[in-house]
Amino acid sequence: DVKVTQSSRYLVKRTGEKVFLECVQDMDHENMFWYRQDPGLGLRLIYFSYDVKMKEKGDIPEGYSVSREKKERFSLILESASTNQTSMYLCASSSDPQAKNIQYFGAGTRLSVL
Amino acid sequence: EDQVTQSPEALRLQEGESSSLNCSYTVSGLRGLFWYRQDPGKGPEFLFTLYSAGEEKEKERLKATLTKKESFLHITAPKPEDSATYLCAVQKSGNNRLAFGKGNQVVVIP
Repeated sequence: DVKVTQSSRYLVKRTGEKVFLECVQDMDHENMFWYRQDPGLGLRLIYFSYDVKMKEKGDIPEGYSVSREKKERFSLILESASTNQTSMYLCASSSDPQAKNIQYFGAGTRLSVL
Repeated sequence: EDQVTQSPEALRLQEGESSSLNCSYTVSGLRGLFWYRQDPGKGPEFLFTLYSAGEEKEKERLKATLTKKESFLHITAPKPEDSATYLCAVQKSGNNRLAFGKGNQVVVIP
């Protein structure tokens, strides 16, 4: 069965802290994605990766960075957390576009920055 | 710019009262249209992919259809467990990315 695991369901951090959100998939998917979801704004793409050590900016990359050292793991980094980064963060993975390219999501991490 | 608009934003249904959700899109070169279900506090769960106009897919009480401009998710005789937010997303040809709508929040009252 498909599985995307996000390391934390809930996180509370202080303004200015460096925050790591981890995501692991067990489907050998090439593509991995980080979204944030806010009421009234829907899902917005932050960064994505189509291969190990490769990354591309999404629609709202400011204030974030990512790391993909291994195929199964994709990390989202908030270099200096701010209150406007309080949100639900969702990780997803998918296989090559020539396949069905269905994105499978993790359960989400609800991050509060105080 | 790709646009996905879902309507209505929120819908309250009596159990057994069938209805439809709309997803209108503008994208050059549609590769696929996706429907997801999301329960509160959880990640989206994949329901359907539609690839070409005229295509239909069904799963239990849900049926998704696709035209060149929009998709409908029909909910037939809904039950309270169908209460969720339904998300629509489109993928452009040659692109891994999905553009999501803001969702249809459905509440089914017993």
